Amino acid sequence: QQPVQSPQAVILREGEDAVINCSSSKALYSVHWYRQKHGEAPVFLMILLKGGEQKGHDKISASFNEKKQQSSLYLTASQLSYSGTYFCGTPNTGTASKLTFGTGTRLQVTL
Amino acid sequence: ETGVTQSPTHLIKTRGQQVTLRCSSQSGHNTVSWYQQALGQGPQFIFQYYREEENGRGNFPPRFSGLQFPNYSSELNVNALELDDSALYLCASSLKGARGAFFGQGTRLTVV
Repeated sequence: QQPVQSPQAVILREGEDAVINCSSSKALYSVHWYRQKHGEAPVFLMILLKGGEQKGHDKISASFNEKKQQSSLYLTASQLSYSGTYFCGTPNTGTASKLTFGTGTRLQVTL
Repeated sequence: ETGVTQSPTHLIKTRGQQVTLRCSSQSGHNTVSWYQQALGQGPQFIFQYYREEENGRGNFPPRFSGLQFPNYSSELNVNALELDDSALYLCASSLKGARGAFFGQGTRLTVV
């Protein structure tokens, strides 16, 4: 089952904050976050492990609630470069690259 | 830049034909996974190769097959192409058990 992300799309002005949610119907070993710009490959942002919260880079961080089978990605003081489609990915086992990707959230940051 | 390279970048094929896509993994990465990404969708896992053997497969028919070579580069072969096979095909390399996978720029396949 594919994780469900919300919102489907969001438009921000530069400097505003956003939260992207990822919800799974099955138990999660970890949650991976990727950003994909139009016409480009997905770029790895960070991984969230059970019992932990990891800050990725810039002003992007995330949380992981394994009991609720949910993860949230937080983008603070958004920059134009944050525009793209964000995907969460959940591994079928512990292996990083056998991922089931979520439905995606399209983020557009404007001036 | 991830160091994962794919070729070709674009390809147009006719329904019923066969196609081979290639991927060179990042140096030192022994695991390669292939994904299919239809327009507006997230990537869908096709299969993974580790040390030249298939190590897991998604919900794709047998006409999707692959190879991994001793240098860890990989090929994706698709036989009897269908119109619905039109998509961006991505390969991702990683170390087995590693926590992050790194994607190549993809091959855009169009079946007409």
